[in-house]
Amino acid sequence: GAGVSQSPSNKVTEKGKDVELRCDPISGHTALYWYRQSLGQGLEFLIYFQGNSAPDKSGLPSDRFSAERTGGSVSTLTIQRTQQEDSAVYLCASSPELLLTYEQYFGPGTRLTVT
Amino acid sequence: GENVEQHPSTLSVQEGDSAVIKCTYSDSASNYFPWYKQELGKRPQLIIDIRSNVGEKKDQRIAVTLNKTAKHFSLHITETQPEDSAVYFCAAFTSGTYKYIFGTGTRLKVLA
Repeated sequence: GAGVSQSPSNKVTEKGKDVELRCDPISGHTALYWYRQSLGQGLEFLIYFQGNSAPDKSGLPSDRFSAERTGGSVSTLTIQRTQQEDSAVYLCASSPELLLTYEQYFGPGTRLTVT
Repeated sequence: GENVEQHPSTLSVQEGDSAVIKCTYSDSASNYFPWYKQELGKRPQLIIDIRSNVGEKKDQRIAVTLNKTAKHFSLHITETQPEDSAVYFCAAFTSGTYKYIFGTGTRLKVLA
């Protein structure tokens, strides 16, 4: 079946502009994660959604970052007033019911460049 | 906060030799430890994982070992091939918080 998809694949924006990044998880997956991967670095946890529960926002680096997950499926990560240090690849991952398995499946990422 | 340390950051081996990558985690409640392979410009792909109730797991040329007491886990790749060249990430997952903490990655180069 279809894997996790993300759009856009690449985004170039000017400093100070807002951007929205989209993630479509695998159908039926209840858990959804957003990560940030700066060049040559590891994956930094940003936010986690599980079903209809309140999201774990503990990894969001500032109040310029927010995320929503509508209807328990598609998620949007919004970065307001982008800064150059926001340039990175933003990865989304989804997992089935986490009581059954802990595996997560990654999307291809959105490469964000802030000029 | 919780963290995962990964070593080495880069590793070069001759084709056919073995490669070992080590990770140490800090959260004693972590109970699942996946390893991901990420080729340049691509998404991380799960290659092997281990749960905290198991000490070792093997899948063909890849094996993972876990020492819960020392909070160490390692990835072993035998008979390395050029296509094994990639960045490898370890992670520790805690089911109580549903959070994955990733290591900083190891860039493996297999020299033909």
